[in-house]
This record gives sequence, structure tokens and C-alpha cells, in this order.
Amino acid sequence: DQQVKQNSPSLSVQEGRISILNCDYTNSMFDYFLWYKKYPAEGPTFLISISSIKDKNEDGRFTVFLNKSAKHLSLHIVPSQPGDSAVYFCAASEGGGYQKVTFGIGTKLQVIP
Amino acid sequence: NAGVTQTPKFQVLKTGQSMTLQCAQDMNHNSMYWYRQDPGMGLRLIYYSASEGTTDKGEVPNGYNVSRLNKREFSLRLESAAPSQTSVYFCASSDGQAYQPQHFGDGTRLSIL
Repeated sequence: DQQVKQNSPSLSVQEGRISILNCDYTNSMFDYFLWYKKYPAEGPTFLISISSIKDKNEDGRFTVFLNKSAKHLSLHIVPSQPGDSAVYFCAASEGGGYQKVTFGIGTKLQVIP
Repeated sequence: NAGVTQTPKFQVLKTGQSMTLQCAQDMNHNSMYWYRQDPGMGLRLIYYSASEGTTDKGEVPNGYNVSRLNKREFSLRLESAAPSQTSVYFCASSDGQAYQPQHFGDGTRLSIL
């Protein structure tokens, strides 16, 4: 039973355009959400997070939106760059995530120059 | 600026052999984690250590044991390796406080024949 779902296994976007990666969750107790970026042969790297008291968090080109009623979050990358090509994992946890974090299966983003 | 260091990076084992994967962090983090990543499954938590001296099972603990050797080091042991344990193993750490991300090593790619 996947509690964190990334239903798009892959996404292709032209350089300079917006990339939107989506994530749905089923556990209403999740209160901390994160996005990680992973290049081949490397470990996941933390990108951005949001707690359930917010509906938006922005860091440079990256913005995460949280819709608690729909149990949905999205990551927007604007503008997309070729270096953004990677696998993006959505993750979520209860109680601020200092113990268990549940990951989605990832979405592979390709930014085409 | 090492962060989380995993050794070895690659390993091939025969069924029934034993092996210990090593992980060390230099960020003075309290919590450490072991995950495995399999195609189409995302990252799944094997074991975690919320603080030095404690360990707890995650989602997929069967066939594994862990040791929190000290605050810096957290090892994962396969006592009798099975082909189903072929995977990429990631170690992570966090400061153990709520709403803080985990930081990952670059992984150990383990093949069991």
C-alpha cells in the first residue's frame, strides 16, 4: 500500500519552461513533506520541504505547493535547466519526520536543451 | 566536507555469504537510517537509529541486522545473503529534530548471485 504516490514515471520539458512534478499521499497524519533530487550513481540530495502549516514554500527556482484537502503536493521548477535532469523523489512523514520518512517511487525529469 | 560516507561502493556476493555495509557521518547527527532502493519501489526503510544506543525496525527489516557503533557509525549486516537482497543500499543521517531533512550517502551497489 503506497502511502506516497508519484504517478508519472517520467517527464520531458524544454529548457527554460516550467517543470511540474506531482505527488499524492494517502496518510492524513503526514505533516512534513520533502523533495529530493537524485543523479545516477549518487545518493538523493535534499531539495526543498514544506510543513503542513504552510501551502507554499519557495527556494530560488524551486517552489513546492501543498494542498492538504486534496492530499496533493507539487514541485515547480522555473525556469528548467539541463542540470535539473534527474530523478525526483517525493517524501512524507508524521511528527516532523525525525524518525520514519516514506518515499515515492520517483519521477525522472529530462530537460531538453 | 564528507557528509555521509558509505563503504564499499560496490560488492558482489554469493548466496549464503555474509557482509557488513559501513556508514559514517561527520555532521554530528543523532539519527541514522538504512534504506534500500529497488526498481519501481522507491526507497524503503530497513532500520533506523533515532539516537545513539537505540535501533528500530523499518518497513523491510527481515534478513538484516544493524549496529549503532557510536554516534558517527551505523552498520548494516547481511548474515546469509539471498538474491532478493540485490539492491542499492543508502545510508542517511539527520539531526534528529523535527522538520529537518535526512542527508544521504552515495550508496552501496550490492549484487548477490
